[in-house]
Amino acid sequence: NAGVTQTPKFRVLKTGQSMTLLCAQDMNHEYMYWYRQDPGMGLRLIHYSVGEGTTAKGEVPDGYNVSRLKKQNFLLGLESAAPSQTSVYFCASSYSTGPGGSYEQYFGPGTRLTVT
Amino acid sequence: DAKTTQPTSMDCAEGRAANLPCNHSTISGNEYVYWYRQIHSQGPQYIIHGLKNNETNEMASLIITEDRKSSTLILPHATLRDTAVYYCIVRSFPGSRLTFGEGTQLTVNP
Repeated sequence: NAGVTQTPKFRVLKTGQSMTLLCAQDMNHEYMYWYRQDPGMGLRLIHYSVGEGTTAKGEVPDGYNVSRLKKQNFLLGLESAAPSQTSVYFCASSYSTGPGGSYEQYFGPGTRLTVT
Repeated sequence: DAKTTQPTSMDCAEGRAANLPCNHSTISGNEYVYWYRQIHSQGPQYIIHGLKNNETNEMASLIITEDRKSSTLILPHATLRDTAVYYCIVRSFPGSRLTFGEGTQLTVNP
């Protein structure tokens, strides 16, 4: 199992450009998440999905869009990149239920995005 | 979800036990305590979780006080590879988000 993979690993964008980050998981997880992490800070949830075809806003959704057309993939889009979106982006996935009613999230290696 | 308070940083000697405290005084009855860690530049890694009983797995032990207002993560024999930021997270519904605070930077010294 590859677990959670993210593409690309690094990217530099100019202000106003667009891009899509791809997250893929091979664990048949129902839930998937996108987080961002700014220097010296904890992770903040951008958007998440509880199943194929469904998405929901997290803590910091502005400036991002997401899609979950296939269960194994979760895409994060930036339509018009801004310097404030310079960050490390982490994708995660999890089962919807687990032993004792709880479970863990599995994280990808991250995508380092710089917007100039 | 309840707010957590952790020390900003801690040091531990290699081979000794590392005890990382977490306060969650507003925790409610259906909220679990989770611990994750993040080794530099990598994605967070799940360590352990618990509701009210002490828990142990191959990585660590979790001790939750009887009133559930605080907990301690114990790494029994810390190694240099355990140097990381450790996050204590409290949440209710299993499918809900993880809210990361600033965590504790644990440095294991040779």
